[in-house]
Order: sequence, then structure tokens, then C-alpha cells
Amino acid sequence: EIVLTQSPGTLSLSPGERATLSCRASQSVSSNFLAWYQQKPGQAPRLLIYGVSTRATGIPDRFSGSGSGTDFTLTISRLEPEDFAVYYCQHYTSSPPRYTFGQGTKLEIK
Amino acid sequence: EVQLVESGGGLVKPGGSLRLSCAASGFTFSGHSMNWVRQAPGKGLEWVSAISRDSSYIYYVDSVKGRFIISRDNAKNALYLQMNSLRAEDTAVYYCARGVGVSGYWGQGTLVTVSS
Repeated sequence: EIVLTQSPGTLSLSPGERATLSCRASQSVSSNFLAWYQQKPGQAPRLLIYGVSTRATGIPDRFSGSGSGTDFTLTISRLEPEDFAVYYCQHYTSSPPRYTFGQGTKLEIK
Repeated sequence: EVQLVESGGGLVKPGGSLRLSCAASGFTFSGHSMNWVRQAPGKGLEWVSAISRDSSYIYYVDSVKGRFIISRDNAKNALYLQMNSLRAEDTAVYYCARGVGVSGYWGQGTLVTVSS
């Protein structure tokens, strides 16, 4: 079973700064099934990125995903006030289907 | 507009049962696999169960196997989760989510609290 480890646990930055969030898998994963979600308090998760680097519909281009193998990154180029939230990476396997989530990175205002 | 609306959560004693529902609208429900994902208070996301479009494939996380049953009624555009033998560790917000692999559409969640 693949384990996803996100780092850092908490990231404190200011609006306008660049955020780099990491997701490391315990073994190599299929790039087709690596996604990132944003979750704000009291809300459902929102899909940001799928297939490592494809932005979901309506997601601003300041969000970008990259990586391969076991190391993946979500980058937010210039933080807006609404970007402060918790971010989860997620991997999916198909046979049998399993979703695995990382433990999350909290992006907080410095 | 795609909408997923969960209901049925509440307070239940350990060992009790609860049935969650998810009402879907704005898309062809029978054309999509569906999932239940939960989030314990202050914790991360945990996938619970998935069901294929025609209910021919059903999957569960190990911790709920034998206790939870996922089902769907395509005629009613509804997804269900029958939860039996509930434990304190099942306390969470339960979300229904559409799709296979990644889920671009989620409901707002319904809170299940298991406590005596």
C-alpha cells in the first residue's frame, strides 16, 4: 500500500509570496493518478490538479503541479488571500480501486 | 450545475446503525462511479467506499468491511451508505464524491458522531 507523506506540515507565508508544497510517495506511482485538493474550513475539498500537472476547470494558473516517480510538488506562484487553506495530495490505484490521501499541508498567513 | 447533497448524519451510540444518502442532480448519475470519503474532526481525508456505475463493482477500505454497505439507485439519482456496528472511530464528516481516480465534485458533507 502506497503511503503519501506531505511536507511541511504547516507553511507560513505572506500574500504575494511563492508556496512550494511537497508530496512524497512510499513507492513509485503512476503519474496519471496524482492529484491535489484544496480544503478550506467547513468546506468540501476542491480539486486543483490532476494527472500531476493538469489544472482542473476554473483553477487559476498560479497553481501548478509537477513531479514524477515518488516526488511531487504543488506550487502556488503568488499567494492570494484566498489561497490560505489545507492542501492534500491524492493517489489512486485501479485494481482494486483505492484512494490514498496525504496527511495535508496547512498553508497559513504569516 | 452538478450538485451532491448528503443527508442522514447524526448522533448514534456505539454499536448502532445509520444510513447516509447522497442526492445527485445536474448530471447523468448512472454514468458515473461514486464514492464516500470521510474526515474525522481535525484530521485528513480517508476514502471509505466506491461503487461502479451499475453497482457491479463495490470496494471498501479495510476498516469498514463487513460493517458498511454502499449502494445506489440510479432511478432515484441517489447514493447510500448503510453503516452498522458503528464505532467511535467512525465519527467524521462523510462526503459523497463523483468519479473514478479523481473527484471534481463533492457534496458538502454530513456529520456522523458515534458516542454514548
